[in-house]
Amino acid sequence: DARVTQTPRHKVTEMGQEVTMRCQPILGHNTVFWYRQTMMQGLELLAYFRNRAPLDDSGMPKDRFSAEMPDATLATLKIQPSEPRDSAVYFCASGFTVSGGRTYNEQFFGPGTRLTVL
Amino acid sequence: SQQGEEDPQALSIQEGENATMNCSYKTSINNLQWYRQNSGRGLVHLILIRSNEREKHSGRLRVTLDTSKKSSSLLITASRAADTASYFCATPNSGGSNYKLTFGKGTLLTVNP
Repeated sequence: DARVTQTPRHKVTEMGQEVTMRCQPILGHNTVFWYRQTMMQGLELLAYFRNRAPLDDSGMPKDRFSAEMPDATLATLKIQPSEPRDSAVYFCASGFTVSGGRTYNEQFFGPGTRLTVL
Repeated sequence: SQQGEEDPQALSIQEGENATMNCSYKTSINNLQWYRQNSGRGLVHLILIRSNEREKHSGRLRVTLDTSKKSSSLLITASRAADTASYFCATPNSGGSNYKLTFGKGTLLTVNP
């Protein structure tokens, strides 16, 4: 049963610390998305990659957030330094998209990382 | 700004009743998707309806799409307690690449046994 996996599932840290979240997309998927979900803002897209290349990170605070995809089986989201306002659930999702034309891509979500910054 | 907006924000019904949730969006789309999120879990894709379709069924789910009104509805028939979840509509980004989806803030459905 193919699934998106995320680690850690929960993270509690202190303000100023570095946080790294990891995601393993479904094998064969070529597009990976990072979302943040809060009660106030709902689900926000932070960044996404296609064929490991970053396509859009306009939703991400550039000064402290960074997203990478070192290989096809691993995507990372890093926050340095973390702040209390970063407390949220971070979701990774993957899907398969076809270049050119208009695609109809379903996204498969991981279970999320619940981050609490004290 | 939000592309899709669900209505109502919360809905509480009794088991066996039907639940209807609505979604309005702003710009033209080529498809609209509905997702479900159980508490503490990731979103799960339910159904996709293309812009040239008016209605689509999947089990107890029925989705309609009215492109002239820029709205969609999700009907869950004969609801069960296990249907308790948040339901989101999602639409492709209006500009540039079509790989992104924008999600609404969701409708929280509670089905009481």
